[in-house]
Parts: sequence; structure tokens; C-alpha cells
Amino acid sequence: DTAVSQTPKYLVTQMGNDKSIKCEQNLGHDTMYWYKQDSKKFLKIMFSYNNKELIINETVPNRFSPKSPDKAHLNLHINSLELGDSAVYFCASSFPTSYNEQFFGPGTRLTVL
Amino acid sequence: AQSVTQLDSHVSVSEGTPVLLRCNYSSSYSPSLFWYVQHPNKGLQLLLKYTSAATLVKGINGFEAEFKKSETSFHLTKPSAHMSDAAEYFCVVTGSNTGFQKLVFGTGTRLLVSP
Repeated sequence: DTAVSQTPKYLVTQMGNDKSIKCEQNLGHDTMYWYKQDSKKFLKIMFSYNNKELIINETVPNRFSPKSPDKAHLNLHINSLELGDSAVYFCASSFPTSYNEQFFGPGTRLTVL
Repeated sequence: AQSVTQLDSHVSVSEGTPVLLRCNYSSSYSPSLFWYVQHPNKGLQLLLKYTSAATLVKGINGFEAEFKKSETSFHLTKPSAHMSDAAEYFCVVTGSNTGFQKLVFGTGTRLLVSP
């Protein structure tokens, strides 16, 4: 059974378009995260939600809007896509405290042309 | 604030020889430290974690790491490399006064294993 799943796995789109990536976890975790991995493999947190409430919001353009309809889902919507948005986006989930392992999804490779 | 420095961007070993991936951290709080592995075109998998219990931590696939507070280090080792160990390894620190977790990743070390 897949613990953290993301759809789609690949996303190729034109500049200026709007796209969404979906994430679901079946681990019963309270907290979910979005990370961006750039072409140099550097991973940086973008957002974190705990029980549907935003708790971490790093310096991310307003074009990125996360939405958590319930604690098992965290979606990422991106408006007006730019070339620099091309990256691999990872969703993760965990119980909230600092010593708990985060479980990562397989990633969504976004390519903006 | 937390930060992590992985001292080597690439490490090359021969199969059967020891592996050492170096990591130094900085943290304003009592840190939790993790090593994650990423195989090509895959997600991240936890290898091991330190959470203020034993300073020598054993993980999966024969990996272990030692927390040394005096040196602010958390180096990853394995006695004998296997071809399947070739991957990207990330040292990660977390810790906060809010109770909520925020992982800070190092820049990664690519482990190359030759026959």
C-alpha cells in the first residue's frame, strides 16, 4: 500500500499556465509538507500544514497556494507558471514533533517550457 | 536557526570498502538529526535518526552514524559498500521551540560505488 502518493508523476506545461499537484497520505499523520528540489538536488521546504492549518510558509511566491481539504490531503496549486518553477516537488507527512520521521512521496517532476 | 554542511559533494569508493559521508550541523535548539537516501528518480527514504538517546545510531542496510556534540558532527558510515548503495545522501537537522518540525537539508553527497 502506498503511504504517501502524489499525482501526477510528471507534468510538462507552458509558461503562464496554472497547474495543480495532489498529495495524499494514508499513515494517519497530522502534518504534511511540500518541498522543492532544484536541478542541483537541493531540497527546501515550502509549506507545512498541521491538521489543515498552515504552520510553515517559507518565502515562496504568491503564485504558489497550498490547500488542505483534510489532514490526509495537501494539494499545491501554481498560477502563472515560470521557467524557474521547473523542479521536482515532494510531498511528505509526519506526526508533528521534531523527532518524528517524515515519509516522502515519489515526487512530481514539473517542467515548464 | 539550523543549518547543515555536507563536506563532500561526491564520494567514490570501491565495492567492499568502507564508506564515510561527513556532516556538520548548527542548531539553536536541541537538534534531531537524520540521514535520508535518494536513489535515482526516487523519493527519499530514512536511513537513520538521532533524537537525544544513544549517540551511536544504527540504521538500515548496515549504515550507522555517531552524534558528536563537541564536534557538531553526525557522520554516516558503513563498513563495506555495496553497489546498491550508490545514491544521493542527505544530512538533515531539525529542532524548534514551537513543537513543529522543520527539516533543513544539507546539499547532498553523491556516493559512487565502483566494482
